[in-house]
Amino acid sequence: GAVVSQHPSRVICKSGTSVKIECRSLDFQATTMFWYRQFPKQSLMLMATSNEGSKATYEQGVEKDKFLINHASLTLSTLTVTSAHPEDSSFYICSAASGATDTQYFGPGTRLTVL
Amino acid sequence: GNSVTQMEGPVTLSEEAFLTINCTYTATGYPSLFWYVQYPGEGLQLLLKATKADDKGSNKGFEATYRKETTSFHLEKGSVQVSDSAVYFCALYYGGSQGNLIFGKGTKLSVKP
Repeated sequence: GAVVSQHPSRVICKSGTSVKIECRSLDFQATTMFWYRQFPKQSLMLMATSNEGSKATYEQGVEKDKFLINHASLTLSTLTVTSAHPEDSSFYICSAASGATDTQYFGPGTRLTVL
Repeated sequence: GNSVTQMEGPVTLSEEAFLTINCTYTATGYPSLFWYVQYPGEGLQLLLKATKADDKGSNKGFEATYRKETTSFHLEKGSVQVSDSAVYFCALYYGGSQGNLIFGKGTKLSVKP
């Protein structure tokens, strides 16, 4: 149980285009979803926290207009990187939690490369 | 503030060797503590957790004990395998239902046959 999927697993796009990454909880209802960014050989940096049906809460320094997060249902959250640039290239990982819990379940990650 | 410090890697061991990866934390209150494992090219998987002092989390031969007196949560395994090669992250959780995970920088483990 507690499986989280992400799609796509890998995406390459041209600079200036937008890319959407999906995060799905497959066998549980995710009241809260988290989006992280991981740079090579470094730890995870929390970008934003989203609750179903409400606006995401962004961490300091994360541009909300650039990284659009939508949590439209209890099983789906999307991250859209708008007008992507090479510096946005990174590994993006989502996680999901159900209810008042300290445990997050992580997706397999999406490798974004912006040319 | 809240933070996690774990030993820097990489750690290279021979198969069947004993593993210890040190992790210490700074936190207000009583956080939950976690070890996550990341295999190459994949996301994080929960390895084990402990929610209060003196709790021992265990899974797949790995163990870690929540030591409040030393603010530590060291990861141990008695006999590592090649398949244990991965990056291990220590993390703490604070803040209730809207809380966040704070991760250490990760420790890369390589196990040689």
